[in-house]
Amino acid sequence: AQTVTQSQPEMSVQEAETVTLSCTYDTSESDYYLFWYKQPPSRQMILVIRQEAYKQQNATENRFSVNFQKAAKSFSLKISDSQLGDAAMYFCAYRILLSGGSNYKLTFGKGTLLTVNP
Amino acid sequence: EAQVTQNPRYLITVTGKKLTVTCSQNMNHEYMSWYRQDPGLGLRQIYYSMNVEVTDKGDVPEGYKVSRKEKRNFPLILESPSPNQTSLYFCASRRTLPNTGELFFGEGSRLTVL
Repeated sequence: AQTVTQSQPEMSVQEAETVTLSCTYDTSESDYYLFWYKQPPSRQMILVIRQEAYKQQNATENRFSVNFQKAAKSFSLKISDSQLGDAAMYFCAYRILLSGGSNYKLTFGKGTLLTVNP
Repeated sequence: EAQVTQNPRYLITVTGKKLTVTCSQNMNHEYMSWYRQDPGLGLRQIYYSMNVEVTDKGDVPEGYKVSRKEKRNFPLILESPSPNQTSLYFCASRRTLPNTGELFFGEGSRLTVL
């Protein structure tokens, strides 16, 4: 079964510092997509960043970047210059191929709760 | 504004009283899906729909029904709610092509079944 594992239920970081959230996944596919979603206290699910597996270059969105290690099946999220507004639950997600080969769905990890300390 | 709209946002009900959570998207997306979120379990898919009149079970479909009569709407029906269906529910949609898998989420519906 294809799974997504976030081994850190909770993390904390000081404001303005850098934090890395880890994610590993299990797959037999060679081409796939990985995502990080952020869920602030408002509960809205917000896409933070997306990585396409066939692209070797790590995705970056402003202060958010990923370290994508395809061989190790690792997809960590780095948040630089952490801000109070970064405090949220972060979910790693993997796009998996459904049986029949014509459709995909997202499967999510269990989440990492990030606290940002002033 | 492109969005996925769910209603109600909050609901407290009692065991056995049928309820419907509505979901509507204005992005002309073919694919729609329902997830439930529970502490320590992340998001789990309940049902999904590839297009009008095409629906299929996700990972945790027991106790739920869905319908897709129109492209923009995908209601979630709990015929006889039970306390184990107390959860935070998300509706989501996406394009079929290009199929990156990226989902657009509604704001969530907090359901409590007493």
